[in-house]
Amino acid sequence: DAEITQSPRHKITETGRQVTLACHQTWNHNNMFWYRQDLGHGLRLIHYSYGVQDTNKGEVSDGYSVSRSNTEDLPLTLESAASSQTSVYFCASSEGGNTEAFFGQGTRLTVV
Amino acid sequence: AQSVTQPDIHITVSEGASLELRCNYSYGATPYLFWYVQSPGQGLQLLLKYFSGDTLVQGIKGFEAEFKRSQSSFNLRKPSVHWSDAAEYFCAVGALVGLIFGKGTTLSVSS
Repeated sequence: DAEITQSPRHKITETGRQVTLACHQTWNHNNMFWYRQDLGHGLRLIHYSYGVQDTNKGEVSDGYSVSRSNTEDLPLTLESAASSQTSVYFCASSEGGNTEAFFGQGTRLTVV
Repeated sequence: AQSVTQPDIHITVSEGASLELRCNYSYGATPYLFWYVQSPGQGLQLLLKYFSGDTLVQGIKGFEAEFKRSQSSFNLRKPSVHWSDAAEYFCAVGALVGLIFGKGTTLSVSS
């Protein structure tokens, strides 16, 4: 079965360190997304990609970057981790930009 | 701007009672609408979706939702809630930049 996997599931890092969260999908979807989930805010879009070499900023992109070198992967990098980036991060993929999205299990990131 | 509002942050219903979770959206064109459920520590699972056609859509786990254009609403319903339905529920609208989510409603089920 097709799936979308995130790694690691949990990570603790120190302020100022660079962190990369992995996302791999086997749906063969062109569209991939990164969201963060925080209490009281729901899910907010960080970055999205419509295909290889395409990346776009979402609502809360400051301090984050992504790259898309193949269809399957969209890693999310925190250039210099801050405590405000402590959150649960979800990767998703979809066939179309406004169609249903399939989500990974999430990565819980704690910045200390 | 496109947005989704879920007016109820937390709802508690008795097991066996009916459920309605509210969702209002703001979107210029005909919306694509979704309801997702998230159990603790898990990712989001699609319950149902509306693209066009019949305004009453059926989903998994006995859920249904009704699209009302005049009220800009897409409320989720279930006739009889089970304890396993306790979770967080998200309404979303499809936009060019992916899905825009409401802030969610936490459902608690009392025995």
